[in-house]
Amino acid sequence: KNQVEQSPQSLIILEGKNCTLQCNYTVSPFSNLRWYKQDTGRGPVSLTIMTFSENTKSNGRYTATLDADTKQSSLHITASQLSDSASYICVVSDRGSTLGRLYFGRGTQLTVWP
Amino acid sequence: EADIYQTPRYLVIGTGKKITLECSQTMGHDKMYWYQQDPGMELHLIHYSYGVNSTEKGDLSSESTVSRIRTEHFPLTLESARPSHTSQYLCASSEGTELAKNIQYFGAGTRLSVL
Repeated sequence: KNQVEQSPQSLIILEGKNCTLQCNYTVSPFSNLRWYKQDTGRGPVSLTIMTFSENTKSNGRYTATLDADTKQSSLHITASQLSDSASYICVVSDRGSTLGRLYFGRGTQLTVWP
Repeated sequence: EADIYQTPRYLVIGTGKKITLECSQTMGHDKMYWYQQDPGMELHLIHYSYGVNSTEKGDLSSESTVSRIRTEHFPLTLESARPSHTSQYLCASSEGTELAKNIQYFGAGTRLSVL
C-alpha cells in the first residue's frame, strides 16, 4: 500500500534553532518527492521538489534530502524564525499512470517560540 | 504568491442548502484540482480537470460536483449540504501534462461548516 508517514507529528523549537523533519514513504514506482509549507488557514506552498536522481535541494534556509534506496526524506530548517511556524507536508508522486498520483503525508506541525 | 483565489474563505450553512465554492486562477493553467482536508489529516483529491469541458473524480468519493466551462474557473457545488461535508476545501492548479511532475499552486481554501 502506497503511504507517506511523517515524524514527528508536532515539534516546538526556540527561535534561531535548527530542526529536522522526517518523511518515510512506500510509494512505488517513485516519480518525485515534494515538501510543502502550509500556514494556518492557508493553502500549501511548494518548498522543494526532488526526483530520483537528486539527493539534496535547498531553498533558502530549507534543505531537503532524499534517499531513494531507503525511501526516506528529511527537511532541515536552519536558524528558525517565527514565520516558520506552520505545517510541513511531504508529498510523494508516482509514475504509474499518465496523470500520476500524489500521496500526501499528514504533516509535521512546527511551532517556533521567541 | 500564486494567482489562485477561492471564495468564500469561510462558510457556515444549514443542512440541505445548496452551495457553490468558487475557484479562479489567472495563470492560464490547464490543470485544476479540488482537495478536501480535515484538521490534522492529509489532503485528499476529490476532483480534477485537464482543461475546459474536462472533469474527473479523484481518489476520495465526494457528493460534490464540478464544472470547467472556462480555463480560469473551476467551481465546486454541493446540491444538499450535510454535516459530514464539514471540512476545508482547497483548490489548486498546475501547468504541464503530468500531475506527478508539476508544481501545484494552491488557493487559500474554503472552510465549510454545515450545521
